[in-house]
Amino acid sequence: LLQESGPGLVKSSETLSLICSVSGASINRNTYYWAWLRQSPERGLEWLGSIYYGGSTYYNPSLKSRLTVSVDTSRNEFSVRLRSVTAADSAVYYCARNAGVLTGYQRRFDYWGQGKLVTVLS
Amino acid sequence: QSVLTQPPSASGTPGQRVSISCSGSLSNVGSNTVSWYQHVPGAAPKLLIYGNDQRPSGVPDRFSGSKSDTSASLAISGLQSADEADYYCAAWDDSLGGAWLFGGGTKLTVL
Repeated sequence: LLQESGPGLVKSSETLSLICSVSGASINRNTYYWAWLRQSPERGLEWLGSIYYGGSTYYNPSLKSRLTVSVDTSRNEFSVRLRSVTAADSAVYYCARNAGVLTGYQRRFDYWGQGKLVTVLS
Repeated sequence: QSVLTQPPSASGTPGQRVSISCSGSLSNVGSNTVSWYQHVPGAAPKLLIYGNDQRPSGVPDRFSGSKSDTSASLAISGLQSADEADYYCAAWDDSLGGAWLFGGGTKLTVL
């Protein structure tokens, strides 16, 4: 259903960019948000941000200044850009479907991609 | 932002019942519903429980969730070797502008 793609190596101070391709479901469906998360041994699982097909976003306040999540409904995909990366941004990055956001009730991530390992080179 | 607190490990023998706890605060577990995820390294994380105690279609009823005040629990009955995985709780946190919080994860070993 969801598949992450993009460079596995990024140089320190540069921008990390990943794409999530969604298959078997339309990203245009007006029920879900679409999310980026990451996991590292040091920081555990961390939510980055979520986007609605219309472009509305909500971000983790701790990353908001460096983060952009965007959506391309014509390609049925959404993407993440994280600027000025450091070694602390090395992680497995996941995309996921974020349900329950519009109602604010029973929020959850109900489908996830397999993850993309991104290493920041110092 | 602090994470939700889970025990780092849990174990049981086949057929046993195990429980994993998740402790938070009023701004997260105390005010919002909890979800639980199963993660086998190398695979996509899987939603097990949402809305504190709801199972998605396809999740066996051996898995159950509960919540009381600022703590939640995941119980697995009839433990199977296939249940060996990492388990994470999550909840929305209303403080500091709002954000999703996750537990540190519990590694379940089936002996």
